Amino acid sequence: EVQLLESGGNLVQPGGSLRLSCVASGFTFSNYVMGWVRQAPGRGLEWVSSLGGGPSSPYYARSVKGRFTISRDDSDNTLHLQMNSLRADDTARYYCVKVGGTRNARFDPWGQGTLVTVSS
Amino acid sequence: QSVLTQPPSASGTPGQRVIISCSGSTSNIGSNYVYWYQQLPGSAPKLLISMNNQRPSGVPDRFSGSRSGTSASLAISGLQSEDEADYSCAAWDDSLDDVLFGGGTRLTVL
Repeated sequence: EVQLLESGGNLVQPGGSLRLSCVASGFTFSNYVMGWVRQAPGRGLEWVSSLGGGPSSPYYARSVKGRFTISRDDSDNTLHLQMNSLRADDTARYYCVKVGGTRNARFDPWGQGTLVTVSS
Repeated sequence: QSVLTQPPSASGTPGQRVIISCSGSTSNIGSNYVYWYQQLPGSAPKLLISMNNQRPSGVPDRFSGSRSGTSASLAISGLQSEDEADYSCAAWDDSLDDVLFGGGTRLTVL
């Protein structure tokens, strides 16, 4: 069974940093594009970033480009999202997702998410 | 601000057929696959329809998807109380180099 388990969400002040992690199991992690999708409280879904295995270029939403960095460690099946210069509008639940490919909107499955709150 | 446009709400009675629309443009729905996601209250989203009209394993055949030009739709037939959820469409956009989601449609089963 494919499982995605996120961690790292927390309360952080505006301008601060946070690193999210996602541990994957049940599939050959290095073969798949992985990503992050977020959902602000009471709002819709917003794609954040995607990254393929091996040497590949990341993709970022315009709202986070230059502030967030996606990375992965295929040796321990882990995906990371380094979030810098956090703003109040980054407050959301962040979901780790297995992606259908590059330039692709197929997200399956989803983890349960980790909550990031940006507030002073 | 969502570039894919969905109605914020929809409703129906048990057994009815409900259709949720998703409108985009040539750079997203018009040239890339559309995906639909179901989010039950308090749960993570789940892939409901893949590649415009394909149902992943385990999704009941009451759910169907279609695409025509720059619009897509999700149809739910034989509506059941457990279908009460938020439904969102998504597609890659070639111009923005972004994944776009619709704003989501909250389905209420009356």
